[in-house]
Amino acid sequence: GAVVSQHPSRVICKSGTSVKIECRSLDFQATTMFWYRQFPKQSLMLMATSNEGSKATYEQGVEKDKFLINHASLTLSTLTVTSAHPEDSSFYICSVPGTGFPEAFFGQGTRLTVV
Amino acid sequence: GENVEQHPSTLSVQEGDSAVIKCTYSDSASNYFPWYKQELGKRPQLIIDIRSNVGEKKDQRIAVTLNKTAKHFSLHITETQPEDSAVYFCAASGGTGGSYIPTFGRGTSLIVHP
Repeated sequence: GAVVSQHPSRVICKSGTSVKIECRSLDFQATTMFWYRQFPKQSLMLMATSNEGSKATYEQGVEKDKFLINHASLTLSTLTVTSAHPEDSSFYICSVPGTGFPEAFFGQGTRLTVV
Repeated sequence: GENVEQHPSTLSVQEGDSAVIKCTYSDSASNYFPWYKQELGKRPQLIIDIRSNVGEKKDQRIAVTLNKTAKHFSLHITETQPEDSAVYFCAASGGTGGSYIPTFGRGTSLIVHP
């Protein structure tokens, strides 16, 4: 399966600051990547689909100006949480469709804590 | 869009017992059903999957069954071990429009007592 690397694994930031999370596909080129958010003891909620070379597609209810997604290359997508607030604290995780297409391979996840 | 329901939310078993987690989906066009295992603070790992042209698939102690007519699929774990303790998610994709983005169930927290 695909090797997906996400960084950082943990980050603590102050309210009002911005945080950038990176998702890298290490062993193949990914034109599409997905960003999820997971609250404690809850399921994975799709936030947006990151498309290489074009704008991301956001799910309903997700603020595109707050969660900036950039997919500038076939191996890297970034999610920037702008002007973070405590309610943005969560586990953010990216995934990459496998070469078999239906399969999804996940990054390690990023635990964001906003204080 | 697709809606996936998963039950139970919590499942507690004794080591050696079997565990069964059930999911239903709403979009009859969905054709791919993976199961993921997620340990605390870690990424979900694909443990088994099934496609709509197959009714059952087995991999050692893990098996998945699919009933397309009833639109439900189940994960079966036999001879459970403490290391099976984790949250398990079912998902469905490939539905109307051919979307490959999986819709996840709410998860089942499996606890295996030694």
